[in-house]
Amino acid sequence: NAGVTQTPKFQVLKTGQSMTLQCAQDMNHNSMYWYRQDPGMGLRLIYYSASEGTTDKGEVPNGYNVSRLNKREFSLRLESAAPSQTSVYFCASNPRDRYDHEQFFGPGTRLTVL
Amino acid sequence: RKEVEQDPGPFNVPEGATVAFNCTYSNSASQSFFWYRQDCRKEPKLLMSVYSSGNEDGRFTAQLNRASQYISLLIRDSKLSDSATYLCVVKGEWAGNNRKLIWGLGTSLAVNP
Repeated sequence: NAGVTQTPKFQVLKTGQSMTLQCAQDMNHNSMYWYRQDPGMGLRLIYYSASEGTTDKGEVPNGYNVSRLNKREFSLRLESAAPSQTSVYFCASNPRDRYDHEQFFGPGTRLTVL
Repeated sequence: RKEVEQDPGPFNVPEGATVAFNCTYSNSASQSFFWYRQDCRKEPKLLMSVYSSGNEDGRFTAQLNRASQYISLLIRDSKLSDSATYLCVVKGEWAGNNRKLIWGLGTSLAVNP
């Protein structure tokens, strides 16, 4: 099992460009999440999907859109990138059948917006 | 006051030392507590959950003090491979259909030979 995979690993964009970050998990998990991690800010939830076909906003959704394509895949789209979106983006999943709800993270995408 | 606070460190300790970190949380209604480990430029990984009665996993011991609103992580017999950032995570109030996970900024540990 690959766990949670993310593509690309690195990306440089110019202000105003768009891109989609891809995430897939092969653990048959119901819930999937997108986080960003910035120095001095900790991990912040952008969007999450409790199950296939549903998505909800997290703490910092502005400037992003998501698609839960199927149970395996959850993509994050930046329609018009801004320098403030320079960050490390992590996708995560959890099975939601355990009390402690462990989050399984992908390796991250390092995004720079110039 | 931040919802979850950690001493950023760094904690520099020699191999074999015992080291402890605390994490304070502001919301007394917080439900569940976790310690994650994050290696440099890697993703966070669950180290252990923190139960009311405390729990131990090998060299690692986690404790919860609800009265003083903090959790702790004790690492005994430190190894070089323990060098990482340790993130405190608190599951708090409902936000939509999920309880909100609040992540601390982490405590950096460097174990030296």
